[in-house]
Amino acid sequence: EAGVAQSPRYKIIEKRQSVAFWCNPISGHATLYWYQQILGQGPKLLIQFQNNGVVDDSQLPKDRFSAERLKGVDSTLKIQPAKLEDSAVYLCASSLAHGENNEQFFGPGTRLTVL
Amino acid sequence: SQKIEQNSEALNIQEGKTATLTCNYTNYSPAYLQWYRQDPGRGPVFLLLIRENEKEKRKERLKVTFDTTLKQSLFHITASQPADSATYLCALDDTGFQKLVFGTGTRLLVSP
Repeated sequence: EAGVAQSPRYKIIEKRQSVAFWCNPISGHATLYWYQQILGQGPKLLIQFQNNGVVDDSQLPKDRFSAERLKGVDSTLKIQPAKLEDSAVYLCASSLAHGENNEQFFGPGTRLTVL
Repeated sequence: SQKIEQNSEALNIQEGKTATLTCNYTNYSPAYLQWYRQDPGRGPVFLLLIRENEKEKRKERLKVTFDTTLKQSLFHITASQPADSATYLCALDDTGFQKLVFGTGTRLLVSP
């Protein structure tokens, strides 16, 4: 079974530029998550989708971050404009169903460096 | 305020010994708690889940306990091996809707 795919793996940008990350979850997984992991910390949930609907985006900085999952499959996360403090690894994860005690399957992440 | 605390200092042990990692939480009432392993440059990998009504869960050399009175989970690796060296993250969900909150993780180093 193929895992969660993310691209790119690495991205370096200047502050105030924009950047987009892509995620393809495991086939059949209804729930998709985007996390931000700053060096030395645990992952922090940014947004959670159930199919193509948003379940939780309470920790997404909506003035600069946006995410979509238009067809209920793959998803993109965008930052515009980027700040220095956005430097982190952005992890995508998926799970079978919402509201159940399911394990989450993580992709390899995209390491973003903002200069 | 709500907190999840794991030892921020690395845990160094000898091969063959039992590693014990601690996860303490404050102001949460989790329905369950999960443990993940994370290797450098990779995403976390799920290891075990333990529910609030379970005291202990085992999987091969791994054992997790969950004490809702102490608000603590312990993660044990018996007969540790150098390949067990990684960062271990605990995560809990007190919403029941798969909204996981992660601790900062504890780095485990197992020496031959």
